[in-house]
Formats: sequence, structure tokens, C-alpha cells
Amino acid sequence: SAVISQKPSRDICQRGTSLTIQCQVDSQVTMMFWYRQQPGQSLTLIATANQGSEATYESGFVIDKFPISRPNLTFSTLTVSNMSPEDSSIYLCSVGTGQVNYGYTFGSGTRLTVV
Amino acid sequence: GESVGLHLPTLSVQEGDNSIINCAYSNSASDYFIWYKQESGKGPQFIIDIRSNMDKRQGQRVTVLLNKTVKHLSLQIAATQPGDSAVYFCAETAGYSTLTFGKGTMLLVSP
Repeated sequence: SAVISQKPSRDICQRGTSLTIQCQVDSQVTMMFWYRQQPGQSLTLIATANQGSEATYESGFVIDKFPISRPNLTFSTLTVSNMSPEDSSIYLCSVGTGQVNYGYTFGSGTRLTVV
Repeated sequence: GESVGLHLPTLSVQEGDNSIINCAYSNSASDYFIWYKQESGKGPQFIIDIRSNMDKRQGQRVTVLLNKTVKHLSLQIAATQPGDSAVYFCAETAGYSTLTFGKGTMLLVSP
């Protein structure tokens, strides 16, 4: 299965600032995704990161708030912009290879606290 | 027993018992399902998967059952160990596209 390196692993940020989270994969992958997991809750898909084009956002998430880049098949970034305390969550990068068994794997996440 | 916690339902079992975690899914077009285990401070970890053309799949100490008629998925863990304590999520996808996650169940294993 693909190995994902996500950083930073955690951060404490001031409201109004922005944080960029990086996701590096050890192999080329077809699909890359960004999820948010609020405390004690399930994972919610933010967007699919598309290589060489704009990300596909899910309902309730917009590009101005969560700009995403994917310059190649192994790397993506998610920026959380103009942060407020409500953005305090775990943000997770995931990749999909279109295969069964370990086809969808996750990074260890970025634990973000906005103060 | 099973109870509803602040955010997640919780299943409490004794070490050595068998655990059954249930999941209802909503999309009748979903054709691939995955169970994940998430320990505190970590990302979800793959446990076992099943395609919609199957109704049962077994792994090491784990079994997944799929009932497409009632859109229900279950994860059975045999001889539960304290190291199995975690939050368990089911996830579904149609056509190996985006994954949709269930609400999750916290499993607490007492020695």
C-alpha cells in the first residue's frame, strides 16, 4: 500500500491566519483526497485533489476557504484560510489507487487548533 | 453493552469476547466497502474490505458481513484484545471513487 507523509502533524494557529498542510506519497497515485475530522466525529470529505486542474469540492466546502494544489501524482497541499476556532479539527490526506485491498490509505493527519 | 456516547456509540466488551460492530449504509449503488480502525492520534488504518458481489469475507480474527438487501455491514472481531480498543468506521464507495464514511463506533475492551 502507498505510504503517506503528512505535515505538520499538529499546529496551534492564531485566528485570521492560514495554514498549509502537505501530503507526500511514496508512489504515483490516481486519486488524492482531503478529509476533515472534527473532535469525536467521523470523516467528512472536503475535496478531491485533481492533478493539473482545480480540485473538486464537496457541498459545504469552497475553494476560497480550502485552496488545494496538486502539481503532480505524488504531492498535494491543503490550505485552511482565514482560520477561526471552528476550523479546529484533524485534517487527513488520503490516496486511492483504484484497487481492492489497501486501495485507500490515509496519512496520520494534522491536528489543528485555532486560538 | 452498547450505549450512545457524546458523539460516538460505544461498545464495551471483555477481553476474549467476540465483538460485533454494525454499520448501515445509504447508497444502494455502493459496490465496495471498507472497515477502518482509528486509534487516538492516528489516521484510519485498513482492516478488511468486501465487494458487493460477496456477502462474507474473513481475515485474521476479523469477518465482514454484507447484507445488501437491508444495506447493512458488520465487522466481527474474534477473541477481542485490549489492543483492539479504538474507533471503527465503515466506508463505502461506488465505482472506486470517493469514500463516504459511517458515523463510527468506539470499541472499549476491558482486561
